[in-house]
Amino acid sequence: SQQGEEDPQALSIQEGENATMNCSYKTSINNLQWYRQNSGRGLVHLILIRSNEREKHSGRLRVTLDTSKKSSSLLITASRAADTASYFCATDISNDYKLSFGAGTTVTVRA
Amino acid sequence: DARVTQTPRHKVTEMGQEVTMRCQPILGHNTVFWYRQTMMQGLELLAYFRNRAPLDDSGMPKDRFSAEMPDATLATLKIQPSEPRDSAVYFCASGQQGDTQYFGPGTRLTVL
Repeated sequence: SQQGEEDPQALSIQEGENATMNCSYKTSINNLQWYRQNSGRGLVHLILIRSNEREKHSGRLRVTLDTSKKSSSLLITASRAADTASYFCATDISNDYKLSFGAGTTVTVRA
Repeated sequence: DARVTQTPRHKVTEMGQEVTMRCQPILGHNTVFWYRQTMMQGLELLAYFRNRAPLDDSGMPKDRFSAEMPDATLATLKIQPSEPRDSAVYFCASGQQGDTQYFGPGTRLTVL
């Protein structure tokens, strides 16, 4: 069963707008990671946030983590057509570094 | 630019045939993962290795799937016999303990 669930399932925005997607999970985590998958490609790691961190930035990406609510959000600012992809959250709940992936949010950025 | 490589990229086979997928992890990474991705089930972890030793293969149908790491540069996933329900994209990923995972491009398997 999947540990994380992304919301929304799909998102369509205009180029230049911000995109926000959320991830909720069920059990305590060591860290939470966000990955991007372009159509027909493998997953690419975007950002890792540890359980003792609340916010992280990487370029146009901002990730927040609220362990009390067991949720995380990924914000993409000033979106570009190249940001069109599926975005997955993945949780590391064990000390074995296995990741449990959610079903993903499909983001479409319209030019 | 180190990458995980997978072969073949595409495989079409008939039900009952043996399928072998190969993965070359990034040099120096001590953990290798095999995932399967389908529209219905999403991304599922099949098995993973650390320092070439299998740690968990509970996600894998044991009667037909097997995963091995003959050496540090090669991981294999074998299906024998294959069935139409095995049609999926199979990803290999590698990483270091506590680090992110680096995914290969995947093998798209179609079993007719």
